[in-house]
Amino acid sequence: GESVGLHLPTLSVQEGDNSIINCAYSNSASDYFIWYKQESGKGPQFIIDIRSNMDKRQGQRVTVLLNKTVKHLSLQIAATQPGDSAVYFCAENGVAAGNKLTFGGGTRVLVKP
Amino acid sequence: ETGVTQSPTHLIKTRGQQVTLRCSSQSGHNTVSWYQQALGQGPQFIFQYYREEENGRGNFPPRFSGLQFPNYSSELNVNALELDDSALYLCASSFDMGSSGNTIYFGEGSWLTVV
Repeated sequence: GESVGLHLPTLSVQEGDNSIINCAYSNSASDYFIWYKQESGKGPQFIIDIRSNMDKRQGQRVTVLLNKTVKHLSLQIAATQPGDSAVYFCAENGVAAGNKLTFGGGTRVLVKP
Repeated sequence: ETGVTQSPTHLIKTRGQQVTLRCSSQSGHNTVSWYQQALGQGPQFIFQYYREEENGRGNFPPRFSGLQFPNYSSELNVNALELDDSALYLCASSFDMGSSGNTIYFGEGSWLTVV
């Protein structure tokens, strides 16, 4: 299938290392944030989410950090694996934000063996 | 596997034609949103349907229209297709508009090419 993210910033990481992907969001009224992973030719896959009343949330091998002061979100992937190669998008949502997802520009992660 | 299914997966249309894309939401979800993703960009919100009513619309012209059925499945219709409509069209399913913690799941999308 076609690929997305042809002109996106790229993060190259060695297999086994940790990855950090950063995202700046735009709407201070957003109260819910999500990270999605999108592989070539596929739809976005939910990874992890966080509400605005939290500043950190952990999942399996992933951690999301939220800094509302500077409107910044990050995704940390521990022990990056080849299967983590994809484009990663952050998205913001919330009632005051119109109940729609607004996506960031995306980051391509390439895992080197 | 998100339980959100879209059809068709790929299609080619001629400029000026009309297209209908379909989406079946995840079981128990009453909200469907549609997004357009151009090559190299993030998805852009088209509109959302909640309990069969349009509940918000992005910056898309009126030739983009939709429907939600009583079983919460949905259609996206695009009239008078233009070359720039070529994109991946994504359906997102959620419960109660997906805000504040109701997870939003995407289908695999429909690739539309307008020639």
